[in-house]
Amino acid sequence: DAKTTQPNSMESNEEEPVHLPCNHSTISGTDYIHWYRQLPSQGPEYVIHGLTSNVNNRMASLAIAEDRKSSTLILHRATLRDAAVYYCILRDGPPKAAGNKLTFGGGTRVLVKP
Amino acid sequence: DTGVSQNPRHKITKRGQNVTFRCDPISEHNRLYWYRQTLGQGPEFLTYFQNEAQLEKSRLLSDRFSAERPKGSFSTLEIQRTEQGDSAMYLCASSDLTRGSGTEAFFGQGTRLTVV
Repeated sequence: DAKTTQPNSMESNEEEPVHLPCNHSTISGTDYIHWYRQLPSQGPEYVIHGLTSNVNNRMASLAIAEDRKSSTLILHRATLRDAAVYYCILRDGPPKAAGNKLTFGGGTRVLVKP
Repeated sequence: DTGVSQNPRHKITKRGQNVTFRCDPISEHNRLYWYRQTLGQGPEFLTYFQNEAQLEKSRLLSDRFSAERPKGSFSTLEIQRTEQGDSAMYLCASSDLTRGSGTEAFFGQGTRLTVV
């Protein structure tokens, strides 16, 4: 799986948006961009994924650059519960064909201040 | 359905002893994954099963490690002759590629192993 680069940590104030960048300059045409987060003392949980178009769900939005070499996870209104490590992961192929083997990097630790 | 269940949650063992962890995936999920996570690092893939077949093993999985999923439901991960370097959180995940988008992997809370 192609490599991703994320900042080690970010801080945000409660109820403000958080923009988490991810660089993946070596992404291939069949790589999907996945985001997972890991709350303290929990296993990772799925947040969102996309291929080319921007995506929205109840948890977050994913903005994908036109050249796909970078993406941004957007938490629209951070809450204290959003404090976690956020992982940007590239996975080759459509989900059903490739399965869910995930290659995690170091992720971004998000601190939310009240 | 209560999600992916892992037991025990914590295990302290002496170096050289064998340990076994159990993972109960979400019912009818056909894929099951094992990961290992050390402090401050992201999870690292160890192995995965499609039903009862073990389809891939990471080179991290030394010959002291063995995983099974005998009936395609729960899985066990055994570590023989534990070493201090085996101390980590062992995470299990499951997914179902026959329903919906098959996109999400659902993780358990992990088993924290401490080798003393």
